[in-house]
Amino acid sequence: GENVEQHPSTLSVQEGDSAVIKCTYSDSASNYFPWYKQELGKRPQLIIDIRSNVGEKKDQRIAVTLNKTAKHFSLHITETQPEDSAVYFCAAIGGPGGGADGLTFGKGTHLIIQP
Amino acid sequence: EAGVTQFPSHSVIEKGQTVTLRCDPISGHDNLYWYRRVMGKEIKFLLHFVKESKQDESGMPNNRFLAERTGGTYSTLKVQPAELEDSGVYFCASSQARHGELFFGEGSRLTVL
Repeated sequence: GENVEQHPSTLSVQEGDSAVIKCTYSDSASNYFPWYKQELGKRPQLIIDIRSNVGEKKDQRIAVTLNKTAKHFSLHITETQPEDSAVYFCAAIGGPGGGADGLTFGKGTHLIIQP
Repeated sequence: EAGVTQFPSHSVIEKGQTVTLRCDPISGHDNLYWYRRVMGKEIKFLLHFVKESKQDESGMPNNRFLAERTGGTYSTLKVQPAELEDSGVYFCASSQARHGELFFGEGSRLTVL
């Protein structure tokens, strides 16, 4: 089945700096890669996603890149703000017949924005 | 529009007891998923319903866990009998499409003593 590794587990950056979180996946058939943000005590919420036919996607201060050959994808947050502090999860899922129906999540990255 | 709702938000039970968690997905979402996060680890897939049918229950830990979605609306997840290692946060999520955006509930925290 799919295996998703996420690094780092904790990331502390100064407000205004950039943050990068990296994930690797094992199943070359995986074709959908969402990123979820979970603030303390709240539900995980989708912040951005990318499909395997695209190499990069950007939404304001957030961008995701995908390297299918290397089987890794990354989340980039620029000009970080205090409200970016949260746990971020990457995830992957395969195509039809490609293993479990559900997303395989990474272990999460606790992003801390220092004022 | 109401989001995914889960009940209870927190349940504390003793080992050997039974607990039933409930999830109400977003209206019109045929796809309903259960996930679990144990002790700060990754969120793990448990099972997937499409309407009332179980499409994939490969993530269910063992036969102490039973999920149902009668009528294709809300779903329940029963743990019987509960063990210490079942403690964690159980998330429900729903989506319109299988590979579409997942909308999560706030989770049901289960503590087994």
